[in-house]
Amino acid sequence: AQTVTQSQPEMSVQEAETVTLSCTYDTSESNYYLFWYKQPPSRQMILVIRQEAYKQQNATENRFSVNFQKAAKSFSLKISDSQLGDTAMYFCAFMKHSMYSGGGADGLTFGKGTHLIIQP
Amino acid sequence: IAGITQAPTSQILAAGRRMTLRCTQDMRHNAMYWYRQDLGLGLRLIHYSNTAGTTGKGEVPDGYSVSRANTDDFPLTLASAVPSQTSVYFCASSGQRNNEQFFGPGTRLTVL
Repeated sequence: AQTVTQSQPEMSVQEAETVTLSCTYDTSESNYYLFWYKQPPSRQMILVIRQEAYKQQNATENRFSVNFQKAAKSFSLKISDSQLGDTAMYFCAFMKHSMYSGGGADGLTFGKGTHLIIQP
Repeated sequence: IAGITQAPTSQILAAGRRMTLRCTQDMRHNAMYWYRQDLGLGLRLIHYSNTAGTTGKGEVPDGYSVSRANTDDFPLTLASAVPSQTSVYFCASSGQRNNEQFFGPGTRLTVL
């Protein structure tokens, strides 16, 4: 079984600052996928960024980037130029490689989340 | 607009009652999932289905059952609700191998 650990229950930064959210995971799988999801107060789960474990290059999506360290089993999320709208819960999630064509067979394993607050 | 719908949005239920949470997607995704979200615990997988006609157990399946009669619908049933099943329930779907999951808006269930 996989485990995902987010060691920062809450973080607070000023608007326009850069913030890094930590995530570590434990798995015996060699092929897997990692995700960061954002959950604003609306409760909707929104995908922020995705990383394939077989890719060495870190994923980037506009102001969001990851630092993926496979050997250390670390997957941190960096948010640059933070905005008030970034205030939300952030969840790190793991999915092992699926043999099924339709999706991830066993679903996602989530960390407990980090509550990020962007102060004006 | 394509997506996932869940019903009801919220529900208060007496312990011992039977309850079915509905989930429908119109994206023709093969895989569907049910998660529960509890404060301080993140989301945990209850059941999943890789394709119509098949289902599997997740991390916390006890007290829940699912069916997948067709591609679009994936209902979650609590046969006899207990207070520990008070939670927010999310349905999700995925259409491509090893790709992202799309989540519904959630159902807040309170069992008294």
